Amino acid sequence: KQEVTQIPAALSVPEGENLVLNCSFTDSAIYNLQWFRQDPGKGLTSLLLIQSSQREQTSGRLNASLDKSSGRSTLYIAASQPGDSATYLCAVNQGGKLIFGQGTELSVKP
Amino acid sequence: GAVVSQHPSRVICKSGTSVKIECRSLDFQATTMFWYRQFPKQSLMLMATSNEGSKATYEQGVEKDKFLINHASLTLSTLTVTSAHPEDSSFYICSASEGDLYNSPLHFGNGTRLTVT
Repeated sequence: KQEVTQIPAALSVPEGENLVLNCSFTDSAIYNLQWFRQDPGKGLTSLLLIQSSQREQTSGRLNASLDKSSGRSTLYIAASQPGDSATYLCAVNQGGKLIFGQGTELSVKP
Repeated sequence: GAVVSQHPSRVICKSGTSVKIECRSLDFQATTMFWYRQFPKQSLMLMATSNEGSKATYEQGVEKDKFLINHASLTLSTLTVTSAHPEDSSFYICSASEGDLYNSPLHFGNGTRLTVT
């Protein structure tokens, strides 16, 4: 059974710092991996999608990497801003369904 | 970009009543939609896969008679929580794929906060 783990569960950083969020999964038979952002009481916003054949994707200050063989992905956020404060979720697509990690709650202090 | 609208955003109901939640894809057709449940500080748990024109596929442990799903058109799926009880209180989120389930991103609604008193 696929299990997705995110470390750390919570992270607090000062504004301007670069940071890395980690995601690991136990079964490498995935179609893709997605990173999402969730604001309190809201739905999910898709940030990046990495296909299983890809190694990384970039969007603005965000860079996500994927190492399928080791079951790991990282989300790198450059020059963090208070507006980046949210919960970040990774999810793997297995058989057309998304299996989520429990998220990392990020707080960026001004 | 692809937009998924979920309604209502919040609902409070009395124990024993039924509540219907709508999920609409506004600018694309979605053959498949998904319904998730999220408890506070926890991840999303997939409840069921909703397929247009056919019966929904429920995940293990999810009561299909309690959580009725109807996907009558390519832009609308509904989740009805029947005979709701306080333990059904949760955050329900739907998602839809605008293309291939294996390669395209999923788009999510803003969720529905259900409180059963």
